[in-house]
Amino acid sequence: QVQLVESGGGVVQPGGSLRLSCVVSGFTFSNYGMHWVRQAPGKGLEWLAVISFNGDKTDYVESVKGRFTISRDNSRNTLFLQMNNLRAEDTAVFYCARDRYTSGWYFLDFWGLGTLVTVSS
Amino acid sequence: DIQMTQSPSTLSASVGDRVTITCRASQSISKFLAWYRQTPGTAPNLLIYKTSTLESGVPSRFSGNGSGTEFTLTISSLQPDDFATYYCQQYNNYVTFGPGTKVDIK
Repeated sequence: QVQLVESGGGVVQPGGSLRLSCVVSGFTFSNYGMHWVRQAPGKGLEWLAVISFNGDKTDYVESVKGRFTISRDNSRNTLFLQMNNLRAEDTAVFYCARDRYTSGWYFLDFWGLGTLVTVSS
Repeated sequence: DIQMTQSPSTLSASVGDRVTITCRASQSISKFLAWYRQTPGTAPNLLIYKTSTLESGVPSRFSGNGSGTEFTLTISSLQPDDFATYYCQQYNNYVTFGPGTKVDIK
């Protein structure tokens, strides 16, 4: 069955960096676009970034452009989110999710359980 | 950027009730709208895409309608699992989620 497992969350100081990973199984990873979505405590869903099936196209929400980088390694069935210059308002559960199609700008049909990132001094 | 709004923000209902949630886009998104359900402590779950297409395995009590800028999600007979928060998401131009509608027990 389709599984997505995030890791790499934790506590980091403001201004620090963190790299999240999402290992997938149960489907051909290289055939699908992938997303990162976050949810601050008690708040709604915020879409962050998307990457196409082969990694040649990416896009970001304005609030993280220049600070976050989405990437993928299709040989390792792994999606990444490099987060730099973290701020307190980045504190959230971060989800990886699969797009229904290859290009990655559609809807999200499978989600991981999420990994918590806390930015605090 | 396309902004999404949802109403109401909270809805109180009972098991067996028919409930409708509205989602509005700041500009036309044709029919490129999806709906998700999220229960506390879990990841969102895809219910409907392209406004009205039910995802595989989703019960038929869920239905979606609309086009352009106004959309609805209807649950024909609320079940215990349906007390949750519902999000709409547009994918006409990048990806944007609505703020959510919480359905709680009356």
